[in-house]
Amino acid sequence: EVHLVESGGGLVKPGGSLRLSCAASGFTFRNVWMNWVRQAPGKGLEWVGQIKRKVDGETADYAAPVKGRFLISRDDSKDTLYLQMNSLKIEDTAVYYCVAGVGFSPLDQWGQGILVTVSS
Amino acid sequence: DIVLTQTPLSSPVTLGQPASISCRSSQSLGYSDGNTYLSWLHQRPGQPPRLLIYKISNRFSGVPDRFTGSGAGTDFTLKISRVEAEDVGVYYCTQATQSPYTFGQGTKLEIK
Repeated sequence: EVHLVESGGGLVKPGGSLRLSCAASGFTFRNVWMNWVRQAPGKGLEWVGQIKRKVDGETADYAAPVKGRFLISRDDSKDTLYLQMNSLKIEDTAVYYCVAGVGFSPLDQWGQGILVTVSS
Repeated sequence: DIVLTQTPLSSPVTLGQPASISCRSSQSLGYSDGNTYLSWLHQRPGQPPRLLIYKISNRFSGVPDRFTGSGAGTDFTLKISRVEAEDVGVYYCTQATQSPYTFGQGTKLEIK
């Protein structure tokens, strides 16, 4: 069974930094493209970015609102995905989901999500 | 960016009755590999989204056959043949044909 468990969320001041982690299990992590998707309180879903698997270059792609501030990385030896968030803004407040494209769709397995609150 | 427009945004339905949600894309969602990466997600209150339908019409593991996806090009539909209480929540269409991946605004399904 696939499990994606996010950690590292919390309260941070505007301009601050935070790193989220996502521990994966139940599938071969190194073979999968991974994503981060966020959801602001009471709002819809917003794709944050994606990182390809190593065989595809391990390159990352980002949504415009976070490009240049967020960095997605992965450690295949630890089956873990990361989201480094810098220069955080109030509008980055959201639940952040780790999402895997295990086989059927690029967004077929979702973690439970972790809340990030940016506030002074 | 590809814009996905869902209608309706709210759908009150009687238990046992059908429901239908439309998703219209600003561009064709056909990909060069021949697939169309249009999916449907369901999110219950307080829960993460879960995949229902992928590549227009394929039910994900464990999804009841009362859920049906259809469409092509820029117009897609999710139909629920007979709504059950557990179907309440918000439904999103999403495309992964082109980066950035995008989502519809969501359709809230509630029981009358």
